[in-house]
Amino acid sequence: SYELTQPPLVSVSPGETASITCSGHALPRQYAYWYRQKPGQAPVMVMYKDVHRPSGIPDRFSGSASGTNVALTITGVQAEDEADYYCQSADDTGTLLVFGGGTRLTVL
Amino acid sequence: VQVVESGGGLVQPGGSLRLSCKTSGFAFNQNNMNWVRQAPGKGLEWISHINGTSYVKYYAESVEGRFIFSRDNADDSLYLQMNRLRAEDTAVYYCVRSVDPRGAFDLWGQGTMVIVSS
Repeated sequence: SYELTQPPLVSVSPGETASITCSGHALPRQYAYWYRQKPGQAPVMVMYKDVHRPSGIPDRFSGSASGTNVALTITGVQAEDEADYYCQSADDTGTLLVFGGGTRLTVL
Repeated sequence: VQVVESGGGLVQPGGSLRLSCKTSGFAFNQNNMNWVRQAPGKGLEWISHINGTSYVKYYAESVEGRFIFSRDNADDSLYLQMNRLRAEDTAVYYCVRSVDPRGAFDLWGQGTMVIVSS
């Protein structure tokens, strides 16, 4: 099996910068993807292939990767960014896809 | 452009259920598709992937040997046959398009709820 590890909770005040990390041993060789899920809604992809932002996602969202860690950074957090965020990647075979346990971002 | 799941419901442990996913608005036979589930109050769990030709299929260990993922490109539809269901299979099941075989889940349905309980 393969696991991605995220902090369960990140809290920031409006206007601050939030960074959500995700670690996994295959991340140096596999891309990471990030999803945002608001209560009662389906997830939405907010970052793909580590650092690329899908159309429609504000440019305050950015991604980074270094070794066995990837991160999603939200600059100038707004109240509407409060949600659960999940990283996703694959194991070294590329045939087992996994999500991290999720990080709840709260905007104080 | 959408995917719409159906077929969820209440089933007894050990029973079977077949989920369907009807897609529209995109070149279905050129796209990878997946099922992702979410147990109540829990995180996301990827469970299966199928490529455009059905030649490539992957399953999570938790469902391998019990669930079968198939597609009908003539009808732009997907199916998840779930057998030998367990209480831990209780979840919302999402039909999801991926633009990459290893992720990039870019189009999600609203999900269908499966409850496994006696």
